Amino acid sequence: ELKVEQNPLFLSMQEGKNYTIYCNYSTTSDRLYWYRQDPGKSLESLFVLLSNGAVKQEGRLMASLDTKARLSTLHITAAVHDLSATYFCAVVPIQGAQKLVFGQGTRLTINP
Amino acid sequence: KAGVTQTPRYLIKTRGQQVTLSCSPISGHRSVSWYQQTPGQGLQFLFEYFSETQRNKGNFPGRFSGRQFSNSRSEMNVSTLELGDSALYLCASSLITGGKETQYFGPGTRLLVL
Repeated sequence: ELKVEQNPLFLSMQEGKNYTIYCNYSTTSDRLYWYRQDPGKSLESLFVLLSNGAVKQEGRLMASLDTKARLSTLHITAAVHDLSATYFCAVVPIQGAQKLVFGQGTRLTINP
Repeated sequence: KAGVTQTPRYLIKTRGQQVTLSCSPISGHRSVSWYQQTPGQGLQFLFEYFSETQRNKGNFPGRFSGRQFSNSRSEMNVSTLELGDSALYLCASSLITGGKETQYFGPGTRLLVL
């Protein structure tokens, strides 16, 4: 059974600093997603990573995937308060299926 | 293009009742998936429908059921509600062409069972 683990689960950081959220998964997958969730809101798609070595960047966020290590990272550069949210990674265990297995989420708080 | 819509947005029920939630996918999307989000269990997959057929099912009891209509709209039903069914229920839609599309989530239905 596919398990997805994120760390850290809680992260409080200062504006302007850099940090990385890690996402490990237990079995082979051909897709990894990152989502953002604001309190009381739904999930917003950030990135989809489809191949080993894939790197995607949007603004201050950059996601990468190492399928051999079964590891994805979400790197935050020069954090700003607006990035405060909960970030989820999700993995699809079966090719072609639309069944996401989510990590526990990382609650990120960025302080001025 | 309009996003995924879910109705109702909020719902309060009592134990033993049943509830039906509705999801309208993005126009042209044929796959609809349902997820339950609770503070204790996190985000868990309920089921996926494609072309009116259930393709995948998560580890939930038979009280949870769903269906999809010919216009791709989907409904989820929970019978004999329990307190533990209180959750945010999220619906997601995707195209399913190459099988690697992003799932787009609706705003969710927040269900409270008293």
